[in-house]
Amino acid sequence: SYELTQPPSVSVSPGQTARITCSGDALPKQYAYWYQQKPGQAPVLVIYKDSERPSGIPERFSGSSSGTTVTLTISGVQAEDEADYYCQSADSSGTYTVFGGGTKLTVL
Amino acid sequence: EVQLVESGGGLVQPGGSLRLSCAASGFTFSSYEMNWVRQAPGKGLEWVSYISSSGSTIYYADSVKGRFTISRDNAKNSLYLQMNSLRAEDTAVYYCASRSGSHGGFDYWGQGTLVTVSS
Repeated sequence: SYELTQPPSVSVSPGQTARITCSGDALPKQYAYWYQQKPGQAPVLVIYKDSERPSGIPERFSGSSSGTTVTLTISGVQAEDEADYYCQSADSSGTYTVFGGGTKLTVL
Repeated sequence: EVQLVESGGGLVQPGGSLRLSCAASGFTFSSYEMNWVRQAPGKGLEWVSYISSSGSTIYYADSVKGRFTISRDNAKNSLYLQMNSLRAEDTAVYYCASRSGSHGGFDYWGQGTLVTVSS
């Protein structure tokens, strides 16, 4: 079955830039989405279609895509950005939704 | 205000059944594709099932195929997940989530309902 691979953890100091990657063979064909999840809360969409930001999401959140890897970048990380982040996409047929394993962002 | 409210979770024995519901409000439910996503305790998100706006197209993750059934009642603004032959590994918080028609992301999520499968 299709898989998306994320690093389990990323740590940055406040004000620095955090980059979280997500790799998958079908990513050149399928859009990627990113979700932020804080403890005890439902996920929140922060990036759609690889690089678009929903209304209400701070400009410090951005997304990019290159080949089989997509990247979520958080510029000027703040303490409130500490959370789990998940990428989501679909298999090459577009039928089945897949989530990455998640990345825990720690703000030092 | 968009709201998705899940209900129906609880404790069930292995092999048992449970039916989850998701009540939608604040948007035109009948126009939206819907999904169930689950999260086992301390684990990541796992997509479970998809249903098109009309209910005519349905997909399942391999882990639940043949045991779970997704359905919807657009007249009642409600989404359902019938879960049969439950296993310990089905223990999770189950979220319903709407899929944006404009960009395909899951833009609204419920607060989740906990299903515990244990003897």
